[in-house]
Amino acid sequence: TQLLEQSPQFLSIQEGENLTVYCNSSSVFSSLQWYRQEPGEGPVLLVTVVTGGEVKKLKRLTFQFGDARKDSSLHITAAQTGDTGLYLCAGWPSYGKLTFGQGTILTVHP
Amino acid sequence: GAVVSQHPSRVICKSGTSVKIECRSLDFQATTMFWYRQFPKQSLMLMATSNEGSKATYEQGVEKDKFLINHASLTLSTLTVTSAHPEDSSFYICSASWTGVGNTIYFGEGSWLTVV
Repeated sequence: TQLLEQSPQFLSIQEGENLTVYCNSSSVFSSLQWYRQEPGEGPVLLVTVVTGGEVKKLKRLTFQFGDARKDSSLHITAAQTGDTGLYLCAGWPSYGKLTFGQGTILTVHP
Repeated sequence: GAVVSQHPSRVICKSGTSVKIECRSLDFQATTMFWYRQFPKQSLMLMATSNEGSKATYEQGVEKDKFLINHASLTLSTLTVTSAHPEDSSFYICSASWTGVGNTIYFGEGSWLTVV
């Protein structure tokens, strides 16, 4: 059983479209991070969310942490080809060890 | 921000030999580091948790005698793939835990291992 369910697994869109990636769990997380990874490189941290209901914005990216700290979402507005990559959520459940979502492979077509 | 450096970025070795990959936290002390393996277009698979000054904790199914982990200092952990086989070829990534706000994990750049 996957502790942190990330969806969708694959996403192929046209430049300019909006998209949302979800990470859901039945467990409470003390914090949750989102990363972006390009092929052949290590994941790069985008944001850390720690407070239930928290919303953070990073240019065209909006991150939300659920009120109950069991879920999170990443929304990208007006996607660009440079947004293409693997997006990962990861977090520390209140009881347990570091957990990763399955990843979302985003392809933005020109 | 916090930086984790991994070396080498690419390595090719012959079957039966051993190869060492280093992971360094450059601007913070990391009592805990993590080693992952990643297959193409997949998420990260945690192999082991490296604890400074003590034995590593391996995930189920990971051979501890094959993947030797040493965390000798607060800024360095090493992964040694012993008696490498072609099926060990993969992308290996390390990360270090920064015990600041959110207990954020920072990743190294990754190391491509090719066993021929």
